[in-house]
Amino acid sequence: DVKVTQSSRYLVKRTGEKVFLECVQDMDHENMFWYRQDPGLGLRLIYFSYDVKMKEKGDIPEGYSVSREKKERFSLILESASTNQTSMYLCASSFEASNQPQHFGDGTRLSIL
Amino acid sequence: SQKIEQNSEALNIQEGKTATLTCNYTNYSPAYLQWYRQDPGRGPVFLLLIRENEKEKRKERLKVTFDTTLKQSLFHITASQPADSATYLCAPSGNTPLVFGKGTRLSVIA
Repeated sequence: DVKVTQSSRYLVKRTGEKVFLECVQDMDHENMFWYRQDPGLGLRLIYFSYDVKMKEKGDIPEGYSVSREKKERFSLILESASTNQTSMYLCASSFEASNQPQHFGDGTRLSIL
Repeated sequence: SQKIEQNSEALNIQEGKTATLTCNYTNYSPAYLQWYRQDPGRGPVFLLLIRENEKEKRKERLKVTFDTTLKQSLFHITASQPADSATYLCAPSGNTPLVFGKGTRLSVIA
């Protein structure tokens, strides 16, 4: 079974801090994704990566950056955390970006105080 | 821009009945459509993928239809059980990454 592991289930940080969210997948998937999920807004794509060191902006990249130095690991970085970035963050991976199932981690619930 | 609408935020049905969830999309011609299940506090789990040239797909008690003329997919759960209670997300896709609908929260009442 595919396993996507997110480093923390819950995280509390302060405004202005630099925050790192880590995601690791064990299925050699080319594509990895970061989403945030908010009540009433659904899942929104922040960034995705289709290969090592490659990245593409999603629908809401402002305030975020990503890093993919190894195929299995995709990191989301909040450069200077703000309260409006309090959310559930979900990582996913897949073989293809659009026509293959995505496999999700269980999410990181991030609170910015 | 692409717009995806799932028929209702919440749907309550009696155990044993068939649940039908609707996914409509506009400004979009997806080649595929995926359905996911999400339980509270968990990530979505893939259920089914249907291609534009497939009218219908089944998996155990699940059935999905894809009508590219109506720009609509229907997701059916037959003989529903309380364990089917969850939020169900549709995700049309083409050459770009998936775009997810906001989901329908299904409650199956015993």
